[in-house]
Amino acid sequence: DTGVSQNPRHKITKRGQNVTFRCDPISEHNRLYWYRQTLGQGPEFLTYFQNEAQLEKSRLLSDRFSAERPKGSFSTLEIQRTEQGDSAMYLCASSFPIGQAYSYEQYFGPGTRLTVT
Amino acid sequence: DAKTTQPNSMESNEEEPVHLPCNHSTISGTDYIHWYRQLPSQGPEYVIHGLTSNVNNRMASLAIAEDRKSSTLILHRATLRDAAVYYCILRNYGQNFVFGPGTRLSVLP
Repeated sequence: DTGVSQNPRHKITKRGQNVTFRCDPISEHNRLYWYRQTLGQGPEFLTYFQNEAQLEKSRLLSDRFSAERPKGSFSTLEIQRTEQGDSAMYLCASSFPIGQAYSYEQYFGPGTRLTVT
Repeated sequence: DAKTTQPNSMESNEEEPVHLPCNHSTISGTDYIHWYRQLPSQGPEYVIHGLTSNVNNRMASLAIAEDRKSSTLILHRATLRDAAVYYCILRNYGQNFVFGPGTRLSVLP
């Protein structure tokens, strides 16, 4: 399967714990995006990378959130000191860079569902 | 970010056409109209996009009003697999996607 993969698919954690999610994009894609989705809402943009450079961060990405893409391939999203409000689906997507063919299309992974108790 | 307005939900019968409307009265001249859909327990997937002219692909058709203030996603023959949340998104070149709550489409057998 050459699609976007995310691990784990589900994570249950206690408030105050740290969690880390991983995203493996489609190998030819240079851009990688993180979104958060709560029940009944559309995905909300968090941040994106062009290769290993993090080019934009949403105001939603508080200091407790950090994302990395160290070698321009897979990415991790870490949430420190989790709060109940962090409970959501965390989606990763990848695409070709702007200006390249098909750059308008983002390919999404299945998401990681986080539950903070 | 330009805004879109979609009905919260719609119903269709299987094998009938479905017209999903989207209003975007504040669209700018360089905003593309994108449609994504999200099947249950999956991430969103690309459906179609366009700028001014109507567009067709294997999944759907996109009809864009002449003044570009509204558009309609057309599924020619709905199947049960088309039950999903459909998002209409305006996106200027290089900008990020801003998803609204979308339209939840139910397909009745």
